[in-house]
Parts: sequence; structure tokens; C-alpha cells
Amino acid sequence: GAVVSQHPSRVICKSGTSVKIECRSLDFQATTMFWYRQFPKQSLMLMATSNEGSKATYEQGVEKDKFLINHASLTLSTLTVTSAHPEDSSFYICSARPYNRGNEQFFGPGTRLTVL
Amino acid sequence: RKEVEQDPGPFNVPEGATVAFNCTYSNSASQSFFWYRQDCRKEPKLLMSVYSSGNEDGRFTAQLNRASQYISLLIRDSKLSDSATYLCAVQGYQKVTFGTGTKLQVIP
Repeated sequence: GAVVSQHPSRVICKSGTSVKIECRSLDFQATTMFWYRQFPKQSLMLMATSNEGSKATYEQGVEKDKFLINHASLTLSTLTVTSAHPEDSSFYICSARPYNRGNEQFFGPGTRLTVL
Repeated sequence: RKEVEQDPGPFNVPEGATVAFNCTYSNSASQSFFWYRQDCRKEPKLLMSVYSSGNEDGRFTAQLNRASQYISLLIRDSKLSDSATYLCAVQGYQKVTFGTGTKLQVIP
């Protein structure tokens, strides 16, 4: 149990386009999902915390108008990178916390975004 | 000072060796502590949670020292398959902060 999926796993897009990444908890309900970004040879950096039915909480330095997060249901959160630029190329990973399993988070497989 | 600090390594050890990683954290109010394993270009996978009393899972032992604000991971009898990056993670009220990871390479 506790499987999290992400789609797409890899995306290549042109500069200026928008990209949507989906994060789904497949066999549990997640009131909270997290979006992370990881640049090569660096750690996971939390971008935002997404709570079902409310606005996401963004970390300092993360532009909320550029990284749109929607958590419309207990099993789905989406991250849209708007007007993507080459510096947005990164590995984006979501995680989901089951509502009834304390602090444990389960990670999706990640989405590798390349902006040309 | 970074919230969570780790020695990036790499630690190159022979098969069968014992290796230990440390991780320090700055927020004394941190509530939960974890070690994750991350293989290249993959998502992190939870290795174990870390408790003050220490916990062991097979060849892996984790310890938490709240007074000194560090956590440790000990791997005994290293296997080639243990080669990966080990991330420590520290959780406050809701947010989890990861260290940059320590790379382990087990050599035949």
C-alpha cells in the first residue's frame, strides 16, 4: 500500500510553455501533499505544501504565480510550471502523507523536466 | 547555518565494511527524524525512522541525539547494493527538510 504516482515521468518542452505535473495517491487519501525540486547533485528542496481544499503554502523564494498548485481532491495534486524557462529544468518530486499514518510521507517517482 | 547538514562524501568502502553517517540539524524543536535512500535519478525511499532510543533494522542502525542535535546511520557488513545516496530528513510541525545527502559507494 501507500503508492504515489506522478505523470508524466519525463517532459521536454520549449521555453515559454506551461507544463502540468500530476501527483496521485493510488491507495490512500492524502490531506497533505508536498512538492519538491531537486537540481543535480543537490538535495530535495521543498517548494510548497498542498492541503486539500485550500491554498498551497509556498516556501520562501518560490513564486506562487509561476508554480501553480491545485489540490482538488484527497488523491490528486497538480503542479503547473507556467512560462517555463531553462532554469526551471529539474527533477520535480511530490510526496503524500496519508491522513491516518502520522508523519510518514510517500514519494512519487518524480518528473524530469527539461526546458529547451 | 543550514537547517540540516550532511557530509556529502563520497564514502568509498569495501564490501563487508561498516560505515557510519552523521547528520546535524539546527532546529531544536524538530519532531521527527528519518533516513532515506536515493538511487541515481530516482525518488527517495524511506529507509528508517529515527528514535531517541535508537532503532535497528537488520544491518542498519539509526540513532538520535537530541542534546547534540544529530542523527546517525550505521551500516554493517556493507553490500554492493547499498551503494546510493543517503539523505537525512528532519520534520518540524509539517515541513520536512532534507540534507544534501551522503553518497556511499561500496567497492567489490
